[in-house]
This record gives sequence, structure tokens and C-alpha cells, in this order.
Amino acid sequence: AQSVTQLGSHVSVSEGALVLLRCNYSSSVPPYLFWYVQYPNQGLQLLLKYTTGATLVKGINGFEAEFKKSETSFHLTKPSAHMSDAAEYFCAVSEAGGGADGLTFGKGTHLIIQP
Amino acid sequence: SAVISQKPSRDICQRGTSLTIQCQVDSQVTMMFWYRQQPGQSLTLIATANQGSEATYESGFVIDKFPISRPNLTFSTLTVSNMSPEDSSIYLCSVGGMDEQYFGPGTRLTVT
Repeated sequence: AQSVTQLGSHVSVSEGALVLLRCNYSSSVPPYLFWYVQYPNQGLQLLLKYTTGATLVKGINGFEAEFKKSETSFHLTKPSAHMSDAAEYFCAVSEAGGGADGLTFGKGTHLIIQP
Repeated sequence: SAVISQKPSRDICQRGTSLTIQCQVDSQVTMMFWYRQQPGQSLTLIATANQGSEATYESGFVIDKFPISRPNLTFSTLTVSNMSPEDSSIYLCSVGGMDEQYFGPGTRLTVT
């Protein structure tokens, strides 16, 4: 069975500082990995995804993530935080392709941006 | 991508009643999914709904409590039956695309 662990339910960074949100996964097959963002009272928006190929993936709003198979990790980073990045971030995994079966989500990380 | 709408966007219901949530997609899709997001929690998959077949439920979710319909390739409904306060959650539908899922805005349900 697949699972996702997000370290840190809350992460606080200063505006302009590096954002690092951690995600580790467990999967019996090569995984499909996703980061979603949820702004207050809104649905989920896909930030980026890893399917196959290049292990460093770039997403929207300046975010990127690197798939590290040896570490079973898919951490999300952004070089410089902006106040508008404050939101809930979810890491998710799929074993059959994100469109073909349900996603398993981590518990989420609430990102707080300090002015 | 796909544009997904859900109705109602929110509702307050009394315990013991049922609510049907509608999910409409702007294009034909094979796979549709229903998730629950309890207050302050992550998303949990309830079931997968393919057009023309019975929905497949995840462990902990049963058809009598969460009946699902999928009459065509652009529409699905989820009913939350015999509600209790523990059913207060956000219910989201999603559709499968090419290697990803697109989510609707969610239905915020409060059971009193």
C-alpha cells in the first residue's frame, strides 16, 4: 500500500526566504508524485507533478520539486517566499498514474509567511 | 485541463437527513473520484466512479452511507445518507486527466 508523510504540519518562513516543504512516500512500484496547494476556502490546485523522466520538476508560481528515489522523497522548494504563498500544501502519490486511480494524500503542511 | 463545478457549495443539514452533492465536468471523462476532507485534515478517497459500472469504495466507506451515481461521462452525484455531526466535512469530486487529477471547488457540509 502506498503512503505519504509530510514532515511538519506548520512551517513558518520570512518573506523572501527559502521555502522547503518535506514529503516522503512509500510505494511498491515507481510512483507518480504530486504537490497540490489549497488556498483558504478554495479547492485544490496542482502545483507540479512527477511522472517519469527528469527528476527535477518545475511548477507554477516558482515552485519546484526533486524526485529522489534513493531517499523516497519529493520535497517542494521555492527560492523566495511571497506573502501570497501562504496556504495549505499537500503531497500526494499514485501508483497507476494520477488520472487512473485515486490519490493518497499526506496530512498537509500549513505554510505561514512572516512579513 | 477540466473545469469542474459542484452543487451546493455549502449546506447546513440536520442529523438523520441526506444530502446529494452534484459534480459537473465541462468535458467527457472516464474516471471520477470523490474525496472527503474532514476539518483540519487531509483528503481521503471515498470511491471511484466510472461511467456504466458500480462505484468502487475504499475501506471504511460503504454504498449504503455514500451512494454514488454516474449516469454519463460528465456528471456524478454523491449522497451522504443518514447524516451525523461526524459527516461534517468538505466533499470534493475530481476527474482523471493525463497523469493528474483536477479537483472541483468542494461542498462544505455542516451537520447539526
